[in-house]
Amino acid sequence: GQQVMQIPQYQHVQEGEDFTTYCNSSTTLSNIQWYKQRPGGHPVFLIQLVKSGEVKKQKRLTFQFGEAKKNSSLHITATQTTDVGTYFCAGQTGTASKLTFGTGTRLQVTL
Amino acid sequence: AAGVIQSPRHLIKEKRETATLKCYPIPRHDTVYWYQQGPGQDPQFLISFYEKMQSDKGSIPDRFSAQQFSDYHSELNMSSLELGDSALYFCASGRAGGEKLFFGSGTQLSVL
Repeated sequence: GQQVMQIPQYQHVQEGEDFTTYCNSSTTLSNIQWYKQRPGGHPVFLIQLVKSGEVKKQKRLTFQFGEAKKNSSLHITATQTTDVGTYFCAGQTGTASKLTFGTGTRLQVTL
Repeated sequence: AAGVIQSPRHLIKEKRETATLKCYPIPRHDTVYWYQQGPGQDPQFLISFYEKMQSDKGSIPDRFSAQQFSDYHSELNMSSLELGDSALYFCASGRAGGEKLFFGSGTQLSVL
């Protein structure tokens, strides 16, 4: 079945440092979404990428979708303590199909 | 704005008992998804519905069943509970067409 892997599993950075998480799918995706889950919370939608090679920015966050639509990345510039949480990518192979979550990257930010 | 509502928030059951989890999606959302998340794990897809019909099925045990009712709320029924069923169960709703999902706060199920 479809597998979505993320690396790293865990990253600890100091506030102000940059952070990147990478997402790789075993199958070609129709779209990829990114979610953030705070400790004890539920996943919250961040963004959706649909086009091959697409790049989207949200303030300090930059999201990329690979040319082959099988991988994606999330880069956070100058992390803040509010960025703490687990970041999941999640892929779909068709509209209204299941959303398969990646293994997640847990980000810890300290002062 | 209305969010996805799940009940109960917490549920404690014993082995071999049954449990029913409820989900009320955001109004006018036509898809509902159920996920199971173990501690430190990623959400695992269980089952989904589109316009009250099952649209996709994941790693859902035969002991579990789910349905979506005419008012669009959904229920996940779990029988013969096992210790390994202890997890956080999320319901999410959205609109078909690949749009984002909105997650409920989840039901924490503990099987003793």
